[in-house]
Amino acid sequence: NAGVTQTPKFRILKIGQSMTLQCTQDMNHNYMYWYRQDPGMGLKLIYYSVGAGITDKGEVPNGYNVSRSTTEDFPLRLELAAPSQTSVYFCASSQTLSDPYVQYFGPGTRLTVT
Amino acid sequence: DAKTTQPTSMDCAEGRAANLPCNHSTISGNEYVYWYRQIHSQGPQYIIHGLKNNETNEMASLIITEDRKSSTLILPHATLRDTAVYYCIVGKGAQKLVFGQGTRLTINP
Repeated sequence: NAGVTQTPKFRILKIGQSMTLQCTQDMNHNYMYWYRQDPGMGLKLIYYSVGAGITDKGEVPNGYNVSRSTTEDFPLRLELAAPSQTSVYFCASSQTLSDPYVQYFGPGTRLTVT
Repeated sequence: DAKTTQPTSMDCAEGRAANLPCNHSTISGNEYVYWYRQIHSQGPQYIIHGLKNNETNEMASLIITEDRKSSTLILPHATLRDTAVYYCIVGKGAQKLVFGQGTRLTINP
């Protein structure tokens, strides 16, 4: 049971490039989330999904897109990378949406846009 | 969602109990208190949660005051591996799990 896995671990992008951050969970969780964490700051929710085919915006969705075609995978797409998207990205999953609940986090993807 | 206030940083000697306070004076009756921690460069890790009663698990204890306006996370025998940022979160519903800046706990040998 690997939990939540993310690839790649590190990536450097040039301004205007695009990329997809991969996230997979093997716990059969319906609920998945993408957060970003800027240096010295807390986590901010980008997008979340309550099941395959259903996604919704979080606090900071601009510049990102997501899809959820399977229960296991929840990729995050950056279309036109900007320096403001330099951050560490964490994917998470949970079994429920109702309290109390626990979110399980992946190890993160460190992205630099120059 | 209720807002939380935590000290920016704390120190604790290895082997001693680490007591991390959290103020959540605007908490509503159906909101849980959650604690997560983030060891350097890793994803956050769930520690414990509570509603009204004190809770204990293999990682920590959570003491919630009777009026629920504050709580304390207790690591009974802190080790160097407990050095991390600890987040106290109060909320309802998954999309409302708001991580603030937390308390940076340093365990000293």
